[in-house]
Amino acid sequence: SAVISQKPSRDICQRGTSLTIQCQVDSQVTMMFWYRQQPGQSLTLIATANQGSEATYESGFVIDKFPISRPNLTFSTLTVSNMSPEDSSIYLCSVAVTGANGYTFGSGTRLTVV
Amino acid sequence: GQQVMQIPQYQHVQEGEDFTTYCNSSTTLSNIQWYKQRPGGHPVFLIQLVKSGEVKKQKRLTFQFGEAKKNSSLHITATQTTDVGTYFCGETSGSRLTFGEGTQLTVNP
Repeated sequence: SAVISQKPSRDICQRGTSLTIQCQVDSQVTMMFWYRQQPGQSLTLIATANQGSEATYESGFVIDKFPISRPNLTFSTLTVSNMSPEDSSIYLCSVAVTGANGYTFGSGTRLTVV
Repeated sequence: GQQVMQIPQYQHVQEGEDFTTYCNSSTTLSNIQWYKQRPGGHPVFLIQLVKSGEVKKQKRLTFQFGEAKKNSSLHITATQTTDVGTYFCGETSGSRLTFGEGTQLTVNP
């Protein structure tokens, strides 16, 4: 399975600012996925990032709030823009190497907005 | 919203007791995947079920996929404190993986 390096692991940010989260994968993957996990809840898919094309966003998530970059097959960033306390959450990236091996997740970024 | 419903939301057991979590869907699932997330950790893939009526085992864990492919279960025999965490089922649609709400398991030693 793939190994994902995600950073930062945590951050405390002021409202109104933006934070960019990075994920580096040790192998080339076609799609990378970004999730949000609010405290005590399940994971919600934010968007799918494809190399060479715009990300595909799930209902309730928009590009202006969560811009995504995918410059190559091993790297992606998610930016949380104009943050408010409601954005406090854990953000995780994920990749699927092969279907039978499931999806591999980064270690997550714990974001607190004050 | 979530297509797959998962119950129970919480389960507290004594060490040595069994544990089961269930996932149910109103529509036929193409597959079901199970993940474990330890407290403070990230989800880790356990298994994928694809075939109707499929049963797979991993040591004390037994995974089942219903005959109609609308439900699945994860059963842990004789829980240990290392089993503590949240267990999620998930379904892939195309390449997108969406999760059930999860069952948080606590084990009293």
